[in-house]
Amino acid sequence: AQRVTQPEKLLSVFKGAPVELKCNYSYSGSPELFWYVQYSRQRLQLLLRHISRESIKGFTADLNKGETSFHLKKPFAQEEDSAMYYCALTGRGSTLGRLYFGRGTQLTVWP
Amino acid sequence: NAGVTQTPKFQVLKTGQSMTLQCAQDMNHEYMSWYRQDPGMGLRLIHYSVGAGITDQGEVPNGYNVSRSTTEDFPLRLLSAAPSQTSVYFCASSPHRGTRDTGELFFGEGSRLTVL
Repeated sequence: AQRVTQPEKLLSVFKGAPVELKCNYSYSGSPELFWYVQYSRQRLQLLLRHISRESIKGFTADLNKGETSFHLKKPFAQEEDSAMYYCALTGRGSTLGRLYFGRGTQLTVWP
Repeated sequence: NAGVTQTPKFQVLKTGQSMTLQCAQDMNHEYMSWYRQDPGMGLRLIHYSVGAGITDQGEVPNGYNVSRSTTEDFPLRLLSAAPSQTSVYFCASSPHRGTRDTGELFFGEGSRLTVL
């Protein structure tokens, strides 16, 4: 069965420190993975997707099929990065109806 | 261009009452969906639709009905509200049915429902 695990409910770092939000998944087929972010008083929005291999707002995420992980990383955290982050999974070629979210990690970046 | 609009933003119901959460999008998106967000549970898919006249169940469909008579609207109906349905509900849409393109969902602001 498909599953997305975000082991950290809360994560706090100081400004300028590196940050890593963990995401592990379980999926039998070819996965497609995403990170969504919800800033305070804003809508949930797509941050990045593994297939694009892009860096958004300084964040990157690499799909590690051996470790079944898709951790989100940023070398130098900023206060404006404080938000709720969700990892999401679906299967390649599937409909979006099969997009599964993790429980989320609340990131706080202290000044 | 308003994007995805949900109404109402807040609602309090008594157990057994019925109600409809409205969702409309003005982006001509094919795909629409409803999620519920509960503390410590993340977002769970309730129902989704890949086009007008087509709906399907997600992870937690029990107690909810949907219909998709137009491309723009995707209402979520609670038939007989229960305290377990107290949650924040999100409607989301996408121009694509599948992940072959972006896999990006556009979310509404959410509707907070309390069932007493």
